[in-house]
Parts: sequence; structure tokens; C-alpha cells
Amino acid sequence: EPEVTQTPSHQVTQMGQEVILRCVPISNHLYFYWYRQILGQKVEFLVSFYNNEISEKSEIFDDQFSVERPDGSNFTLKIRSTKLEDSAMYFCASSEHGQGSEAFFGQGTRLTVV
Amino acid sequence: KNQVEQSPQSLIILEGKNCTLQCNYTVSPFSNLRWYKQDTGRGPVSLTIMTFSENTKSNGRYTATLDADTKQSSLHITASQLSDSASYICVVTLLSGGYNKLIFGAGTRLAVHP
Repeated sequence: EPEVTQTPSHQVTQMGQEVILRCVPISNHLYFYWYRQILGQKVEFLVSFYNNEISEKSEIFDDQFSVERPDGSNFTLKIRSTKLEDSAMYFCASSEHGQGSEAFFGQGTRLTVV
Repeated sequence: KNQVEQSPQSLIILEGKNCTLQCNYTVSPFSNLRWYKQDTGRGPVSLTIMTFSENTKSNGRYTATLDADTKQSSLHITASQLSDSASYICVVTLLSGGYNKLIFGAGTRLAVHP
């Protein structure tokens, strides 16, 4: 069964460093998303991406965040200068179509900022 | 404000028993409602997805109901198994520009004991 894969599964970084979280969405999917979940809290929407551009971003997704689809298979989330409060589980998701289409989630990358 | 509230926060049941989880939402405009299962440290996995015109949907031992008038949903689990121990998350899709903007509840943490 096709699945969304994320790497690495766990990333530890020092405050102020840049990190890139990687995702390989399901191959025929056109819509891509990043969500995050701070430990013990709800999953929160960060950004949606379609047709090589951001469709919408939340207030969390400030200038330190960026997304990119560098090739036909990868979808990345970059955090430019990490803060302690960026520590969370980051989930990538993809869907074949837009609204109403099932969103498939990856297993997540646990980011720990020390 | 778009919100999804779930109850109970946590639940312990014995293997073989049934249980019902509740969800109330104030998301507008509404597109669809989903129930996800999330194992600890893993990505959410879709169980059901319902549009406003559907009032019940089953997936094996999981049956979801939706009352779009009262903005309530429930997830009923029949004949629980130890492997059902997980968080169950109610997610409402906001009708937004043709893509999936998911609003997550905080989840109900279910523990099934032998």
C-alpha cells in the first residue's frame, strides 16, 4: 500500500540551527501539507502546497519556515533558525485531490531543539 | 472560532466491551468530518470520512455518526481489542479554497485492558 514517508524519524538540533525535514508524498498525489503536534497538544495545521506554491499557511508558519518541492518526489519543510518552542512532532500529509479527498499522513519527524 | 471538542479526554475499557466517543464542532464552512486513529508517536490513520449528507459510516468494528444540524459526531467501537488502544481524533475539514484544511480535536485516549 502506498504511504507517505518522512525522514529523519528523529532530529535533535541546537537552538538557532537550521533544519530540513523531508517527506516523500504518495506518488500520484497533488496536494501536500505540513502539520505539527507539540507534545500533549492537538495536531495543528502549518501549510498547504499545491501546484508548486503555498495555498495557505497558518499564523504559526512565519518567516522562519519555508517549504519546497525540489524535485518530483520530495517535499521539504525548512526551519531557518530553530527555537526551543519548535520542538514538536512534524507530520507531512498528502492527498490526491483537494477537499474531501482522504489525507494520508506520514509517521512524523520528532524534532527536539536543545 | 473554528473548534473541535472531544469527550471524554480518556477512557479505559475491558477487552471485548463497546465504547462510544463524542465530538462537537463549531467549524464553518463545513466540508466533511473524519475520525483518525493515532498510535503513540505515529501519524494519524484515517478511519472514516463523512460529508454533511451522510449520517453514518462504518469501517469494520468502527461506526461513525454525524448530525450536521447539531454539529455532533460519535465514534462507536464494537468488541474492543487490545490493539484499539490509541488516541482517536475527530477532525473537521474546513471548506477552504479547494484543499484540505483540517481542524483537529484533542483526541480521546482509549486504553483497552485485558
